[in-house]
Amino acid sequence: NAGVTQTPKFQVLKTGQSMTLQCAQDMNHNSMYWYRQDPGMGLRLIYYSASEGTTDKGEVPNGYNVSRLNKREFSLRLESAAPSQTSVYFCASSEMTDNYGYTFGSGTRLTVV
Amino acid sequence: QKEVEQNSGPLSVPEGAIASLNCTYSDRGSQSFFWYRQYSGKSPELIMFIYSNGDKEDGRFTAQLNKASQYVSLLIRDSQPSDSATYLCAVNTDRGSTLGRLYFGRGTQLTVWP
Repeated sequence: NAGVTQTPKFQVLKTGQSMTLQCAQDMNHNSMYWYRQDPGMGLRLIYYSASEGTTDKGEVPNGYNVSRLNKREFSLRLESAAPSQTSVYFCASSEMTDNYGYTFGSGTRLTVV
Repeated sequence: QKEVEQNSGPLSVPEGAIASLNCTYSDRGSQSFFWYRQYSGKSPELIMFIYSNGDKEDGRFTAQLNKASQYVSLLIRDSQPSDSATYLCAVNTDRGSTLGRLYFGRGTQLTVWP
């Protein structure tokens, strides 16, 4: 049981480049989330998807877009990367029947130079 | 703005002692509360969740919730060096829906020394 799988684990981008972070879960969860974690700032919600076919902005959505491709997959896209987007990105999923406790992916460490 | 505040830390305790981690939250309508442990370079992992006022025990861990004071805490008894990690408090404020967005505190770094 893989849980939540994120790819890639590490990435270095140049300013202005684009990339997509992939996330897939095999727990049949309805809700999925993207967070970023910066030193001293904690985890901040970028975008979330309550269920397949829906997405919505979180606390810090600027510079990002998302796609809920199906129930399993939720991707995060940086269209034009900026140094301020250097961070560790976590994908998570949850389900009401599991009391909403998140299962996190292993994270993507992104550096924008 | 949904704020979740934690002790700034770091917190350092000797092996075998009780570690006490505290968290306050701003949204009085918050429904459920979570404690996550995060080792350096790893993703957060769920330790406990609590919904109702009072104490909830799971092994060496006890979560305490006081909704009137908007306060939640985590006690770790018989602390071990393997408990050394950052502890994240998280709060779910979504009410009456199937969504469970969590708002996280900045974390408290705990060091347990032998």
